[in-house]
Amino acid sequence: DAGITQSPRHKVTETGTPVTLRCHQTENHRYMYWYRQDPGHGLRLIHYSYGVKDTDKGEVSDGYSVSRSKTEDFLLTLESATSSQTSVYFCATGGGTQNIQYFGAGTRLSVL
Amino acid sequence: SQQGEEDPQALSIQEGENATMNCSYKTSINNLQWYRQNSGRGLVHLILIRSNEREKHSGRLRVTLDTSKKSSSLLITASRAADTASYFCATLPGEGAQKLVFGQGTRLTINP
Repeated sequence: DAGITQSPRHKVTETGTPVTLRCHQTENHRYMYWYRQDPGHGLRLIHYSYGVKDTDKGEVSDGYSVSRSKTEDFLLTLESATSSQTSVYFCATGGGTQNIQYFGAGTRLSVL
Repeated sequence: SQQGEEDPQALSIQEGENATMNCSYKTSINNLQWYRQNSGRGLVHLILIRSNEREKHSGRLRVTLDTSKKSSSLLITASRAADTASYFCATLPGEGAQKLVFGQGTRLTINP
């Protein structure tokens, strides 16, 4: 978890409300990633960023948007939360030729 | 879709025994990585094996890779209670790729 801070760590929200999760890194890594983790599905990539203002979709991007205005910050937004977005969200940094990734501690999100 | 499929999904052994987990994947890879996740925490990188390597060691960890069978195994020798965690394989599909594809993980329990 060193060098990567996710906030909040826990959040409960209602269906239809917007939610923003924040990831902050001190490692100066170029690449940042957002994953969701659900039982039976492992980790699935939502979106990733390869630089400031450079982002791309992962395999489960519907209903999510991201922004990266600074190297150290990567935001994940659920524009209108749904119960299917109840999950644990992980931010990771990495990249390079081997792409070893470093993970934050996660955010547990419950959408009621 | 999940590139890595892990087997078994859960494994319970006695302290001191060896633990073996397997990972199969579908497409060609640049490297394969193993991560550990303790309960309630983020993933931590354990070991990486390149596509042109067959075996790699790190402490009590031994990883093998068989690219002809598109499979890898992680062996933990002389297990300890602290090894209780979930273990995930992740593949980097192709040189220059920047997205890891994670398997669903193996839940390992070490009984005292």
